Parts: sequence; structure tokens; C-alpha cells
Amino acid sequence: EPEVTQTPSHQVTQMGQEVILRCVPISNHLYFYWYRQILGQKVEFLVSFYNNEISEKSEIFDDQFSVERPDGSNFTLKIRSTKLEDSAMYFCASTKLGDGNTGELFFGEGSRLTVL
Amino acid sequence: AQSVTQLGSHVSVSEGALVLLRCNYSSSVPPYLFWYVQYPNQGLQLLLKYTSAATLVKGINGFEAEFKKSETSFHLTKPSAHMSDAAEYFCAVSPSGGYQKVTFGTGTKLQVIP
Repeated sequence: EPEVTQTPSHQVTQMGQEVILRCVPISNHLYFYWYRQILGQKVEFLVSFYNNEISEKSEIFDDQFSVERPDGSNFTLKIRSTKLEDSAMYFCASTKLGDGNTGELFFGEGSRLTVL
Repeated sequence: AQSVTQLGSHVSVSEGALVLLRCNYSSSVPPYLFWYVQYPNQGLQLLLKYTSAATLVKGINGFEAEFKKSETSFHLTKPSAHMSDAAEYFCAVSPSGGYQKVTFGTGTKLQVIP
């Protein structure tokens, strides 16, 4: 069964460093999302992406964050200068285009980011 | 705007007992509603979804949920809990029509006592 894959599964970084989290969405999906989950808290929407541009972003998604689809398969989240409060599990998700789309998101296993 | 409220951050049931996890939603347009499950150190897996067809929705692992518009609720139930059901459960909502962001509740951790 097709699945969303994310790398790395866990990254530890120093505060102020740049981090890139990578995702390979399901191949026939065209809408992509990043969510994050701070330990013990709810899953929060960061950004949605379609047709090579951001469709919607939350107030969390400030200038420190950017997303990119550099080729036909990868979808990346970059954090330019990490802060302690960026420590979280980051989930990539995708959904398919077409009639009857129900907004169901297919999630990856997540990338745990620890900022020291 | 849409939101969901999950009552009870922790729920404990005995193995074999009824599981009831509560979710109330708020949406300015007809909603799509979802329940996701998260096992420890894993991603989010869809349990079931409501998309304006049948109000009683059956999902995987014996779970079901009923959409009640009058009560703005979408509670998750399972007749008989199994040890393997221990996980965190998230109710979520999105505006009908797809492609829009899904908003999650705060989650309910289900503990199953042998």
C-alpha cells in the first residue's frame, strides 16, 4: 500500500542551526501538508501546499519556516534558525485530487526534531 | 472556522468493556469529521471518517462513530475494548469539499486495563 515517507526519523540540532525535514508524499497526491505535535500537545497545522505554492499557512508558520517541492517527489520543510520551542514531532501529509475527495489526509510516521 | 473539543484527555476502561470517546465539533459549513489513532512513537492512522453519507460510520478495528448534527457530536465507540486499543485518539474536522486543512482536537489517551 502506498505510504508517505519521512526522513530523518529523528534529528538533534543546536539552537540557531538550519534543519531540513524531508517527505515523499504518495505518488498521485497533489496536496501536501506539514503538521507538528509538541510533546503531549495537540497536532497543529503548519502549512498546506498545492501546485508549487502555499495554499494556507498558520500563524506558527513564520519567516523561519519555508516549504519547497524541489523535484517531482520530495516535499521539504526548512527551519532556518531553530529555536528550543521548535522541538516537536513534524508530520507530513498528503491527499489526492479528484472527485469525491473527502479531505482524508495520509500521514507519514513523523520526524522528531530535538533542539538543544 | 472549525474546531473540535474532546472531552477527557485520559480514559481508562477494562478489557472487554465499552469504549466511548467524546468529540464535539464546531463548523461554519457542513463538516467532514475524522477519528485518527496514534500508537506510541508512530504516525497518525485514520480510523474512520464522516463525509455526509451515512451518519453511522464504521471504521477499522471494530470502531464506529455516529454523526449527530443536533448535538454537534461525533463520538467514537467500540463495544469491547482490547489491550491493543491502548493509544491516543484524535478527533478532527475539515470543511466539506476537501483539500482544506484538517483541525485536530487535543487527543484522548485510552488506557485498557487487563
